[in-house]
Amino acid sequence: GESVGLHLPTLSVQEGDNSIINCAYSNSASDYFIWYKQESGKGPQFIIDIRSNMDKRQGQRVTVLLNKTVKHLSLQIAATQPGDSAVYFCAETSTRGDMRFGAGTRLTVKP
Amino acid sequence: DAGITQSPRHKVTETGTPVTLRCHQTENHRYMYWYRQDPGHGLRLIHYSYGVKDTDKGEVSDGYSVSRSKTEDFLLTLESATSSQTSVYFCAIGAGRGTGELFFGEGSRLTVL
Repeated sequence: GESVGLHLPTLSVQEGDNSIINCAYSNSASDYFIWYKQESGKGPQFIIDIRSNMDKRQGQRVTVLLNKTVKHLSLQIAATQPGDSAVYFCAETSTRGDMRFGAGTRLTVKP
Repeated sequence: DAGITQSPRHKVTETGTPVTLRCHQTENHRYMYWYRQDPGHGLRLIHYSYGVKDTDKGEVSDGYSVSRSKTEDFLLTLESATSSQTSVYFCAIGAGRGTGELFFGEGSRLTVL
């Protein structure tokens, strides 16, 4: 069936290094792909999204890459900081308006 | 922060009892969503609404019903709670299909004994 999933459940990086979090999807009909950050005890927060007709989009310290050929989405965080430690979710939204999430990757930043 | 509140924030109930969670927004957003979050499963969509009285099922809708009689309120009802419905429930709102951004509430932790 259709699904949104992640390659790795955990990622540990050194402060100042770049982080890359990956996501695989299978629904080719999705409109948007989105990355959310969730800190402990809080609801998810929007980081960045990318429309299905784009390959790359940059924000502040973050870049999202979309490879439709292999149905792969990635989130790159530049100069990772301790405040970036959280669980990161990729999500997709279809033409119906529903939004579905992957299982999440826990990012730990070591000082 | 987006104006979205969930109530109650914490609830403990017994198997077989009805439970209603409320989501209230002050942003006048068209779309509202209910998700549940469990360890190892991330966020799973229960039901969503794309307008007053317009709702649709998500991926884990069995055992849940919703109602949206006003733009600002989206209710999630467990008619007869079961232990498998112990979870953290998140409400989210969104402006529409033209954006990928949802705003989430703080969550409601439900324990079914």
